[in-house]
Amino acid sequence: EDQVTQSPEALRLQEGESSSLNCSYTVSGLRGLFWYRQDPGKGPEFLFTLYSAGEEKEKERLKATLTKKESFLHITAPKPEDSATYLCAVQARNNNDMRFGAGTRLTVKP
Amino acid sequence: DGGITQSPKYLFRKEGQNVTLSCEQNLNHDAMYWYRQDPGQGLRLIYYSQIVNDFQKGDIAEGYSVSREKKESFPLTVTSAQKNPTAFYLCASSAQGQVNTEAFFGQGTRLTVV
Repeated sequence: EDQVTQSPEALRLQEGESSSLNCSYTVSGLRGLFWYRQDPGKGPEFLFTLYSAGEEKEKERLKATLTKKESFLHITAPKPEDSATYLCAVQARNNNDMRFGAGTRLTVKP
Repeated sequence: DGGITQSPKYLFRKEGQNVTLSCEQNLNHDAMYWYRQDPGQGLRLIYYSQIVNDFQKGDIAEGYSVSREKKESFPLTVTSAQKNPTAFYLCASSAQGQVNTEAFFGQGTRLTVV
């Protein structure tokens, strides 16, 4: 069965303090791994798709990387507006459903 | 503006009632999904549809029903058989194929049983 585990559950950072979020996965043939940002009471907002091990994507202070077993979301010099829950999801080659992890709740203090 | 629209934003249901949540997309996506999110938890898949007039159960389909009569629309009915329906419901859509299959979400419907 496809599984996604995110760690840590919650992370508190000071503004400017860089860190990484982890997404470990098991899937029978990866089609894609997705990162989303979710603000309270809102729908998830798409950030990145990664398709193969070694791939990296960047957007402002965020950088996502992928290996055969896990993905990292690196946050460089975060700002308070980066506070949100970050969700990871995987999609297998043999079907279209997406399986999500429980998310990492990030708080950045000024 | 292309996007995915859920309505209503808030919905209150009495015990024993069926309610239907609306989801419409104008992205020309073939695949559509319904997820449930409980406080502090990730998204759990209720149903998904890859094409009109076809849909598959997800992990927590019991007490829910869907239809896919049009490409643009994928309504979810929460039936009285759903024992604990209070939750945040999210609809999403995605393109089919091998690339660019990321899902785009609506803003959600918060359902409360009163």
